[in-house]
Amino acid sequence: GAVVSQHPSRVICKSGTSVKIECRSLDFQATTMFWYRQFPKQSLMLMATSNEGSKATYEQGVEKDKFLINHASLTLSTLTVTSAHPEDSSFYICSARLGTAASYEQYFGPGTRLTVT
Amino acid sequence: GNSVTQMEGPVTLSEEAFLTINCTYTATGYPSLFWYVQYPGEGLQLLLKATKADDKGSNKGFEATYRKETTSFHLEKGSVQVSDSAVYFCALSDQANAGKSTFGDGTTLTVKP
Repeated sequence: GAVVSQHPSRVICKSGTSVKIECRSLDFQATTMFWYRQFPKQSLMLMATSNEGSKATYEQGVEKDKFLINHASLTLSTLTVTSAHPEDSSFYICSARLGTAASYEQYFGPGTRLTVT
Repeated sequence: GNSVTQMEGPVTLSEEAFLTINCTYTATGYPSLFWYVQYPGEGLQLLLKATKADDKGSNKGFEATYRKETTSFHLEKGSVQVSDSAVYFCALSDQANAGKSTFGDGTTLTVKP
């Protein structure tokens, strides 16, 4: 149980185009999902918290107009990288939160490798 | 704010050697603590967790004990295998902040036959 999928696993796009990444919780409902960015050989950087039915909460320094997040259902959150540039190339990982306030757990998707040419 | 400090890598061990990866944390509240493992090109997998002081998390031969007095959560395994080669992340989850996680920088483990 507690499986999270991401699609696509890899995407190459041209500079200036937009790319959408999907994150799905396959066997549970998640009111909260998180989006992370990971640079090579580095740790995960939290970009935003995605809340079902409401606006995402972005971390300081993350451009909300560039990284659009939509959490329209309890099993799906999407991250759209708008007007992508080579510096947006990275590994994007989502996670879905499970549990109660006493003990939350996160289950991570397999990641999406974005390359902007 | 919250922070996690992990032992710097990379760590290279021979098969069947003993493994310790140190992790210490700073938190304003009472966090839950986690170890995640990441294999090349993949996302993170939860390895083990502990939710309160003196709890011991264990899985697949790995163990870590939540030590509040030393604010530590060191990962140990008595006998590593080649298949344990991966990047290991220590993390804390701030239950008072919607479960947001703070990650250490990761430690790369390579086990040689």
